[in-house]
Amino acid sequence: GQQLNQSPQSMFIQEGEDVSMNCTSSSIFNTWLWYKQDPGEGPVLLIALYKAGELTSNGRLTAQFGITRKDSFLNISASIPSDVGIYFCAGQLDSGNTPLVFGKGTRLSVIA
Amino acid sequence: GAVVSQHPSRVICKSGTSVKIECRSLDFQATTMFWYRQFPKQSLMLMATSNEGSKATYEQGVEKDKFLINHASLTLSTLTVTSAHPEDSSFYICSAEQRAYEQYFGPGTRLTVT
Repeated sequence: GQQLNQSPQSMFIQEGEDVSMNCTSSSIFNTWLWYKQDPGEGPVLLIALYKAGELTSNGRLTAQFGITRKDSFLNISASIPSDVGIYFCAGQLDSGNTPLVFGKGTRLSVIA
Repeated sequence: GAVVSQHPSRVICKSGTSVKIECRSLDFQATTMFWYRQFPKQSLMLMATSNEGSKATYEQGVEKDKFLINHASLTLSTLTVTSAHPEDSSFYICSAEQRAYEQYFGPGTRLTVT
């Protein structure tokens, strides 16, 4: 099925550094969502984006909905050890109550 | 708000038996829930869309007779893996949409078939 192109696949960073990851698609999405998944747990919603060009923050997290509606990025500032996990982008093609299309994930490791 | 629970969190069953996994939206009603499957170190793969009061919609390649979905109420969907085999061992996750465009996931169920 359809999938988003998410990069990088994995990252190793020092505590305190900033992190950036992004997702691109050949299709236009109405909604972009960013999730974090810890081992053995379900994904937790971090940020939801609804409009092209929208820039939204949640604490140290900032995400943007690309102006073309085909991409999104997530930035994490001043990383801390608990930021470790897998980050997934997800897009929704149509209106609500439709399945999400997921990226393959970015595995983040933070070195203290 | 927006809490989705799953039960059980882990289950081990013998080959040939059936297993039921429950997904509940605890503080909101969901006319639609989604069931995903996740293999180690991979992304989530949509299995089916569960619609309250009607038949589920299955993704291509997912056997509807093997993965039975029932969405009997606005807060409960169940996934039954029938005649389970070792290749059905996986992490199963459900999600529900609290309001437009925000889907919340359950904590997942780890199924091991021996």
